[in-house]
Amino acid sequence: DIQMTQSPSTLSASVGDRVTITCRASQSIRSWLAWYQQKPGKAPKILIYKTSSLESGVPSRFSGGGSGTEFTLTISSLQPDDFATYYCQQYDTYPWTFGQGTKVEI
Amino acid sequence: QVQLQESGPGLVKPSQTLSLTCNVSGGSISSGAHYWTWIRQPAGRGLEWIGHVQASGNTKYNPSLRSRLSISLDTSKSQFSLNLNSVTAADTALYYCARGGSFTRVFDYWGLGSLVTVSS
Repeated sequence: DIQMTQSPSTLSASVGDRVTITCRASQSIRSWLAWYQQKPGKAPKILIYKTSSLESGVPSRFSGGGSGTEFTLTISSLQPDDFATYYCQQYDTYPWTFGQGTKVEI
Repeated sequence: QVQLQESGPGLVKPSQTLSLTCNVSGGSISSGAHYWTWIRQPAGRGLEWIGHVQASGNTKYNPSLRSRLSISLDTSKSQFSLNLNSVTAADTALYYCARGGSFTRVFDYWGLGSLVTVSS
């Protein structure tokens, strides 16, 4: 299985901060990387697919980058609604796998 | 607007079969090449992809569960199902059904989740 490792596991930040989360794959996944946001008690919500494509309706302060084995999710100016847990997911090779999550807290 | 809703027992005894159904509304389950998917999340932990079925009948399973797992599609009822046999406490989790987009392949619609506890 392809292992997805996110860093950091927890991130403390303030409203207005620029925040970057890193996701590393144990082998190349080309550009088949997605990012999800999950709030407590809710299902995950897709933010970005194919590394950098923004899902419809997702604010432009979210952006993704990278390729191969190293990827990033950046929030350009953190808003109160963005405090949540973020997961990366590869869909290059079965079984599709998720990172362990990064909790963004105040 | 596509909506997904899981249903099934909340409590399953060890060694028995966990069965869940996902009802799909607001869109056709038989059109396109969507990936009708099950994902689970143990309490306080991360997400695990279980597997998916497509309208063509194509299925893909997580190898860690493959020997115990079956996912099927019933287009007449607009639903798909998960059967996981020989369950143990390690299968206790919140089970989500989700739709993988036919072009993007990522999970764009999710159910609310169904909590399944394996306990005697």
